[in-house]
Amino acid sequence: KQEVTQIPAALSVPEGENLVLNCSFTDSAIYNLQWFRQDPGKGLTSLLLIQSSQREQTSGRLNASLDKSSGRSTLYIAASQPGDSATYLCAVCGMETSGSRLTFGEGTQLTVNP
Amino acid sequence: GAVVSQHPSRVICKSGTSVKIECRSLDFQATTMFWYRQFPKQSLMLMATSNEGSKATYEQGVEKDKFLINHASLTLSTLTVTSAHPEDSSFYICSARAPGTSFPYSGNTIYFGEGSWLTVV
Repeated sequence: KQEVTQIPAALSVPEGENLVLNCSFTDSAIYNLQWFRQDPGKGLTSLLLIQSSQREQTSGRLNASLDKSSGRSTLYIAASQPGDSATYLCAVCGMETSGSRLTFGEGTQLTVNP
Repeated sequence: GAVVSQHPSRVICKSGTSVKIECRSLDFQATTMFWYRQFPKQSLMLMATSNEGSKATYEQGVEKDKFLINHASLTLSTLTVTSAHPEDSSFYICSARAPGTSFPYSGNTIYFGEGSWLTVV
């Protein structure tokens, strides 16, 4: 059974700092990995999707990497801003159910202080 | 871009009653929708996969008779929590897979709704 772990559970940084969020998964048989943002009491916004054949994806100040063999992904946020404060979720799309299931980590709660 | 809408965003119901949550894809047809539950400070847990015109596929441990899912059209899936109890209080989120992606190899474009807070008193 796929398990996804995110470290740290919470992170508080001053504005402008670069930061890294970590995600690990136990079963490397995945189709892809996604990073989402969730604001309090809200749904999810997809940030980046990395296919299993890819090593990284970039969008603006965000860069996500994937090392499928070691079961790890990182989300790098450059020059953090208070508006980046949210919970960041990592999810893998596994092959065990023909890709019908996204398995989520428990998230990293990020606070960027002005 | 694609938008998935959920209604209601918040609902309070009495224990023993049933409540229906709707999930609509507003500008695309979704043959597959997913229902998740999220308890406070916890991750999203997939409850069921809803396929248009057929029965939903439930995850292990999810009571299909308690959580009724109907996907009668390509733009609407509903989740009905029957005989709700306080322990069913949670945040329910739906997602829909957008067409045009030859899943899973060229992408897996899934859009999430805003979620629905259910409180059973």
